[in-house]
This record gives sequence, C-alpha cells and structure tokens, in this order.
Amino acid sequence: AQSVTQPDIHITVSEGASLELRCNYSYGATPYLFWYVQSPGQGLQLLLKYFSGDTLVQGIKGFEAEFKRSQSSFNLRKPSVHWSDAAEYFCAVGARQTGANNLFFGTGTRLTVIP
Amino acid sequence: KAGVTQTPRYLIKTRGQQVTLSCSPISGHRSVSWYQQTPGQGLQFLFEYFSETQRNKGNFPGRFSGRQFSNSRSEMNVSTLELGDSALYLCASSLSTGIFDEQYFGPGTRLTVT
Repeated sequence: AQSVTQPDIHITVSEGASLELRCNYSYGATPYLFWYVQSPGQGLQLLLKYFSGDTLVQGIKGFEAEFKRSQSSFNLRKPSVHWSDAAEYFCAVGARQTGANNLFFGTGTRLTVIP
Repeated sequence: KAGVTQTPRYLIKTRGQQVTLSCSPISGHRSVSWYQQTPGQGLQFLFEYFSETQRNKGNFPGRFSGRQFSNSRSEMNVSTLELGDSALYLCASSLSTGIFDEQYFGPGTRLTVT
C-alpha cells in the first residue's frame, strides 16, 4: 500500500539557517513525488514535483528536493530560511492506477522560523 | 486572472443533513479535484473531474459525490452527514493533467457538523 511518512511534526529554525524536511514514502513502482506548502494567507501551493530524470529537483521560493530511491526518501531543502517560509509542509506520493489515480499526503511538518 | 473560488467559505450543518459545496476553477482549467483536510486524517484526495466526467476517485464512501458542469465549475455533495465529516474541503484546478499536474487550490470551505 502507498504511504508517506513525515517523521518531524514540528521544526524550529533560525532565520538564515538551512532547512531539511524529511519525507519517506512507500510505493511499489517509480513514484510521482510532490512537496506542498500551506500557509494561512496563501492556501495550499505546489513547491515542486518529481516524476523522472534528474533526482535533484528545483522548485519555487528557493526550495529543492532530492529523490533517493535506495532510501525511499524525498527530502526538501532550503539553504537559507526566510521568516516568510513559516508554514506547514506536506509531502505527497502519486499512485497511478487506471481510473483511480490517487494522491497520498503525509501528516505534515510545521515550520517555525525564529528571527 | 482570478484564482480558484469556493463557496460558501463556512458552513454549519446538523448530523444527517446533506450539503453541497461549490468550486469555480481558474478560467481555462478543465480539471477540478476535491480534497478533505482534518486534524485526525490529514489531507485526503476525494475525486477529480475532467470534462464533466469523474476521472479519478479516492477512498471515500458513496456518501461523497461530485459533478462538473460544462463551464468546468464543480460541486461536491455529502449526504447523511456524520460528525467526522467536519473538515476543511479544498478544491483545486489544473489545466488538464489533473492531480499529478500543477494544481491551484482554493481557500477551502470549512464544514462543521453538529
């Protein structure tokens, strides 16, 4: 069965520090992987996605994620966090079945940024 | 270009009633998807419509249904409401590929079932 695990419920970082949010997935085939961000003023927004090809994916707002098949991971990174990055982050895996494509989300990681 | 709009934004219903939520996608977007977000179950995919047809469906009971009109606007209906249906219901639209595409989300409808 497909599943996504985000082991960190809450992470606090200082502004300007680097960030890594962890995501592990379970899926039998090559997965479609996504990172979404949800903030009160902006709603839910796609940061980046991985379907195939280069395992290092660049997204919006300076985020990147690396797909590691051997570790079933798709961790999100940012070299320098800004106060506006405070939000909840969701990793998701897309499961492909004819007529029954599905998106499975992790439970989310809440990011707090300290000035 | 206007974003995804959802109406109403807030709704209070009684257990056993039914409810209809509405979603207007971004102009030109033909795919509309619905999601449920709760503190306990998190974000879950409900279903996706494209060209007035349900193209994909998540793991929800038949009480949850939807439809899409020729102008791509979509409605979601929940019959025989249960307390556990209290949630934020999000709608998203995309050009054509659907839930694996870049989706644009609306602000959501917060449904409270008492």
